[in-house]
Amino acid sequence: DTEVTQTPKHLVMGMTNKKSLKCEQHMGHRAMYWYKQKAKKPPELMFVYSYEKLSINESVPSRFSPECPNSSLLNLHLHALQPEDSALYLCASSQRGGRNEQFFGPGTRLTVL
Amino acid sequence: QKEVEQDPGPLSVPEGAIVSLNCTYSNSAFQYFMWYRQYSRKGPELLMYTYSSGNKEDGRFTAQVDKSSKYISLFIRDSQPSDSATYLCAMRDTDKLIFGTGTRLQVFP
Repeated sequence: DTEVTQTPKHLVMGMTNKKSLKCEQHMGHRAMYWYKQKAKKPPELMFVYSYEKLSINESVPSRFSPECPNSSLLNLHLHALQPEDSALYLCASSQRGGRNEQFFGPGTRLTVL
Repeated sequence: QKEVEQDPGPLSVPEGAIVSLNCTYSNSAFQYFMWYRQYSRKGPELLMYTYSSGNKEDGRFTAQVDKSSKYISLFIRDSQPSDSATYLCAMRDTDKLIFGTGTRLQVFP
């Protein structure tokens, strides 16, 4: 099973709202990733968690706050977003070391009004 | 110069054609090369994963890596309308994937 699940599929929020995106995998992977993808562009890396610890933050604004409660779950907390943050948010996971190809979830399509 | 260059297309071919998708890269340290397929409004799906130079075949798909030329290719044989998607090449740099811009492919019946 190479499935990464993400909820919700779609999210519409105002600039003053607080919301969270959720990601789950049961492949025993110890690295998890958040990406942002705008239309007709490749995914852009936001955060990397390795063994439940934040290992890479690609200078993402603090209105995005990641959390890794355990090795299977990854959250992205959203607060005071801007309309330009509207995008497809993708979660991915991989093994650590060796063949660590990344498997992506279906994404959450976020619209900020 | 971008680290990974990919022709954005769109590429439009008839059903049954052989499709060639290509990427060039500048960082000679890349060793792991991937091709992802992404349907509209969906997440990327891993198609092929190759390590170092050589060929890898999986059904109608063949991935080639030429490290001396810093060039990778994905060939699709007997293309089908269901292959219509955006194809992203990606290369691993430690924990990061460096993506090409993606090539949009349209296979018409």
